[in-house]
Amino acid sequence: NAGVTQTPKFRILKIGQSMTLQCAQDMNHNYMYWYRQDPGMGLKLIYYSVGAGITDKGEVPNGYNVSRSTTEDFPLRLELAAPSQTSVYFCASSLRPGRTGGYGYTFGSGTRLTVV
Amino acid sequence: QQQVKQSPQSLIVQKGGISIINCAYENTAFDYFPWYQQFPGKGPALLIAIRPDVSEKKEGRFTISFNKSAKQFSLHIMDSQPGDSATYFCAARESGAGSYQLTFGKGTKLSVIP
Repeated sequence: NAGVTQTPKFRILKIGQSMTLQCAQDMNHNYMYWYRQDPGMGLKLIYYSVGAGITDKGEVPNGYNVSRSTTEDFPLRLELAAPSQTSVYFCASSLRPGRTGGYGYTFGSGTRLTVV
Repeated sequence: QQQVKQSPQSLIVQKGGISIINCAYENTAFDYFPWYQQFPGKGPALLIAIRPDVSEKKEGRFTISFNKSAKQFSLHIMDSQPGDSATYFCAARESGAGSYQLTFGKGTKLSVIP
């Protein structure tokens, strides 16, 4: 199994450009998440999805958009890129936790984005 | 509002020593507390997790201690090795929120020196 696959691994954008960060998982996980990681700040939730066709905002959604047309894919769209969006972006997925169990996330390897 | 506070920010431990990382939380609805390990250039990977109905969980050299009344939990790494050098994140989840999203601490960069 590939797990969670993110593409591209690196990208440099100019201010005002747009791009889509791709995320795909092959574990049939219902739950998917996008986080951004900035130095010394931990991981902040951007958007999440609890299943195909259902998405919702996290803590830092401004400047981003998502869609979830299939269980496998959860792309993150950046419109009008700004320097503040320079970060490392991680996609993660998980099963729905059971009554007695907790399931951790499976993370992708990340996309390092620089906006200049 | 930082819901999960993690300390220290960085930690240097000699090989064979004990590494201790602490986290504190305020939200009493949190019911799942995982720790993640992240190596440079990689995504975080689940290391060990605990639920609040137990006070300690051990997996190999890694132990989580949980104090529900104090709303604190900690990661202990026994016999620390250079290969343990990584950034460690504590996290917490409120299952009743429906999203099952994790709230992360800011991370601790651990360096184990020979």
